[in-house]
Amino acid sequence: DGGITQSPKYLFRKEGQNVTLSCEQNLNHDAMYWYRQDPGQGLRLIYYSQIVNDFQKGDIAEGYSVSREKKESFPLTVTSAQKNPTAFYLCASSMGQGNTGELFFGEGSRLTVL
Amino acid sequence: SQQGEEDPQALSIQEGENATMNCSYKTSINNLQWYRQNSGRGLVHLILIRSNEREKHSGRLRVTLDTSKKSSSLLITASRAADTASYFCAGLGGATNKLIFGTGTLLAVQP
Repeated sequence: DGGITQSPKYLFRKEGQNVTLSCEQNLNHDAMYWYRQDPGQGLRLIYYSQIVNDFQKGDIAEGYSVSREKKESFPLTVTSAQKNPTAFYLCASSMGQGNTGELFFGEGSRLTVL
Repeated sequence: SQQGEEDPQALSIQEGENATMNCSYKTSINNLQWYRQNSGRGLVHLILIRSNEREKHSGRLRVTLDTSKKSSSLLITASRAADTASYFCAGLGGATNKLIFGTGTLLAVQP
C-alpha cells in the first residue's frame, strides 16, 4: 500500500541529546514536509523540501535540521539547540508545485524529553 | 502568526445532530482544505474548495468559502460517534504555495 511511514512512534530523549525522526514515502511525491504540533496550537511548519537535495526553512526551523538525499526519505533531526522539543511531529508529502497542495500525512512521532 | 483561527475551539453534540465549524484566514489563498485528525494520529484530507468556488459537497460534508470575508465553514450532517475528532482548515497561500493551518476544532459526538 502507498503511504507515509514515520518512525519511531514514541521516542524519549534526555536533555542535550540529538534525535532523528524517520519519514519515508512510497507515493512518488516530490514535496515533503515536517510539522510540529503542540496542544491547542495547530500545526507549525518546521522544514519542507520541494525536490531532492533541496529544502527550505519553515516558520520554526531553529533547533532542527533535515536532509533530502533521496526522493523517498526526509529525516528530521531534533538537536540539543531546540529549547522545548517535547511535541508531536508529523511528516507529510504532496505532489509538489503546481498541484492542489493536498497533503498526505504519516501517523506521527511523539517525542518526550526527560 | 499566519495561522488561521477556528471557531469554536471545542464542540459537543449528540449523534444525529449537525456540526458546524468555522475558519478564518489572513492571507489570500488558492484553495482551502479541511483535514480530520483522530486523537494521536496523523491528519487525513477531507475536502478541498478552490478560491473561485463558493460551496462544495462530499457525502455528509458541506464546505462553504467566502473569500471577501476570508472565511470558510465545514458542516457535518447527521453526525455519528465516529466523527469525533479534531478538524483543521488549511489555506494554500498564493505567494508561498504553502499550507497554513488553523488551530483546529475538537468535535465530540455523544452516542
